[in-house]
Amino acid sequence: NAGVTQTPKFRILKIGQSMTLQCTQDMNHNYMYWYRQDPGMGLKLIYYSVGAGITDKGEVPNGYNVSRSTTEDFPLRLELAAPSQTSVYFCASSWFMNTEAFFGQGTRLTVV
Amino acid sequence: DAKTTQPNSMESNEEEPVHLPCNHSTISGTDYIHWYRQLPSQGPEYVIHGLTSNVNNRMASLAIAEDRKSSTLILHRATLRDAAVYYCIRGGGADGLTFGKGTHLIIQP
Repeated sequence: NAGVTQTPKFRILKIGQSMTLQCTQDMNHNYMYWYRQDPGMGLKLIYYSVGAGITDKGEVPNGYNVSRSTTEDFPLRLELAAPSQTSVYFCASSWFMNTEAFFGQGTRLTVV
Repeated sequence: DAKTTQPNSMESNEEEPVHLPCNHSTISGTDYIHWYRQLPSQGPEYVIHGLTSNVNNRMASLAIAEDRKSSTLILHRATLRDAAVYYCIRGGGADGLTFGKGTHLIIQP
């Protein structure tokens, strides 16, 4: 069982570069989420999606974009990377709200 | 705003029960109480969740106060593998889970 798969696991970006963090789930979940976690802190919601074609902003969406063209995939796009985006990024999915959420292993991003 | 209050850290001995408290005094009638844990360098892992009644699963038990303003996660017999940050989360609607800083649980051998 693959669950939620994130790629890459690690990445170093230069200031101003762009990249896409990939997230795919094989559980046919409707809900998908992107979080970021800064050192010593809890996770903060960047964007979420309740189904294909539907996305919405979370607590910290600035500097990011998402799309949800299929149920399985929920990529996160960073445009014009900044040092403040250095963080660990987690993708998650769940069948519905208030059901068990499954998290990926994370992408550790450093912007220099 | 995490909307829950947890101790920063707790320590327990291996093979003993652990009771992790959480205060959520402003909880609404439709808010669920979720618990997740995060082992070092891993993504969060679901532990348990409930609405009003006490809940049990293979990992833990969740005891919810009658007024729902607090709850306790119970690990019945801690092992070294249970050392993690435990997050108590109120809500869990369409816009996901709001994580606070959680409780860092230390297990002594």
